[in-house]
Amino acid sequence: EAQVTQNPRYLITVTGKKLTVTCSQNMNHEYMSWYRQDPGLGLRQIYYSMNVEVTDKGDVPEGYKVSRKEKRNFPLILESPSPNQTSLYFCASSLAVNQPQHFGDGTRLSIL
Amino acid sequence: KNEVEQSPQNLTAQEGEFITINCSYSVGISALHWLQQHPGGGIVSLFMLSSGKKKHGRLIATINIQEKHSSLHITASHPRDSAVYICAVPRTDKLIFGTGTRLQVFP
Repeated sequence: EAQVTQNPRYLITVTGKKLTVTCSQNMNHEYMSWYRQDPGLGLRQIYYSMNVEVTDKGDVPEGYKVSRKEKRNFPLILESPSPNQTSLYFCASSLAVNQPQHFGDGTRLSIL
Repeated sequence: KNEVEQSPQNLTAQEGEFITINCSYSVGISALHWLQQHPGGGIVSLFMLSSGKKKHGRLIATINIQEKHSSLHITASHPRDSAVYICAVPRTDKLIFGTGTRLQVFP
């Protein structure tokens, strides 16, 4: 089954404790992306990747890191999380930015 | 002004009504996405269109590239259509989203 898998689905943690949200896709997609969704602001792009070893900043990259060492995986890293990063996060993949997007189920992150 | 504007923000309807959700954008685009987000939070892609019209079941999406406007129509609406509908456009290699239209359909 074609899917994008994110883990964990829920996480409550404390300020400053490094965390990683994993994202994996099984569709051989080149384009992968991370978004955060906040009430009143909608979805905003954090980082995206056009292919292996090619990543670039979206509109809200501050406080986040990503890597794309393999085509299927695109982890989101918060080196020193802060409360303003409390949000709902989505990973997505597609053949290209102008092709249908496949979303993971989301990760609800709470930073205390 | 946001690059992608949706209207209305909220919409309530009775079952069976015809629904229209609008999306206007200010950038030149190669395609426009319509997404659906159910109360559980998951997001699915409904349509990706670059011209004309697409239909899937009771959902119809249209786009007018010259006017930079797209509409999503739902015919014979049903309570299970209750969701947030989001349009998104590519800006170079990024995706820019509207803030969504929350639709509630009552029996």
